[in-house]
Amino acid sequence: DVKVTQSSRYLVKRTGEKVFLECVQDMDHENMFWYRQDPGLGLRLIYFSYDVKMKEKGDIPEGYSVSREKKERFSLILESASTNQTSMYLCASSVDRGSPLHFGNGTRLTVT
Amino acid sequence: GQSLEQPSEVTAVEGAIVQINCTYQTSGFYGLSWYQQHDGGAPTFLSYNALDGLEETGRFSSFLSRSDSYGYLLLQELQMKDSASYFCAVPASGGSYIPTFGRGTSLIVHP
Repeated sequence: DVKVTQSSRYLVKRTGEKVFLECVQDMDHENMFWYRQDPGLGLRLIYFSYDVKMKEKGDIPEGYSVSREKKERFSLILESASTNQTSMYLCASSVDRGSPLHFGNGTRLTVT
Repeated sequence: GQSLEQPSEVTAVEGAIVQINCTYQTSGFYGLSWYQQHDGGAPTFLSYNALDGLEETGRFSSFLSRSDSYGYLLLQELQMKDSASYFCAVPASGGSYIPTFGRGTSLIVHP
């Protein structure tokens, strides 16, 4: 079974802090994704990566950046957290383009 | 771009059959997927339809009509554990195949 692990289940940060959300997958998948999930809005893509050191903007990249230095790890960075970034963040991976996504359990981030 | 429409909530009783509809608009079509998410859990992949017709997997079936830009997820012999959110998704056009998700349908199963 594919395992996608997000380092924190819950995080509370203050406005202006730099926040790192970490995600690791153990199946050597090429593709990794970061989504945020908000009530009534579904899952919205922030960034994705097709390979190490590659990154592509999704639908809502503003205020975020990512890092993929190793194939198994994809980090989401909030350079200066704001209250409107309070959300559930979901990491996912897939073996190739068009394949089903495997999600982690999510990180619920609260910015106060 | 892509857009998907699905009902926000559906309720049903145990043992019943329920259908969750999804209509989509996309400039190129590469298939319709369904994901299930329980409260507090991760979305999990349920099914994928690339061609018209019905795909059956146990109690769950998924249907696609490309000419109508429409699909549905059919859940039979409903159980309490089927209470969850269900998302339809279509891959992006332009070759990236990144799924765009609908806003989700909350299924509530009553005893």
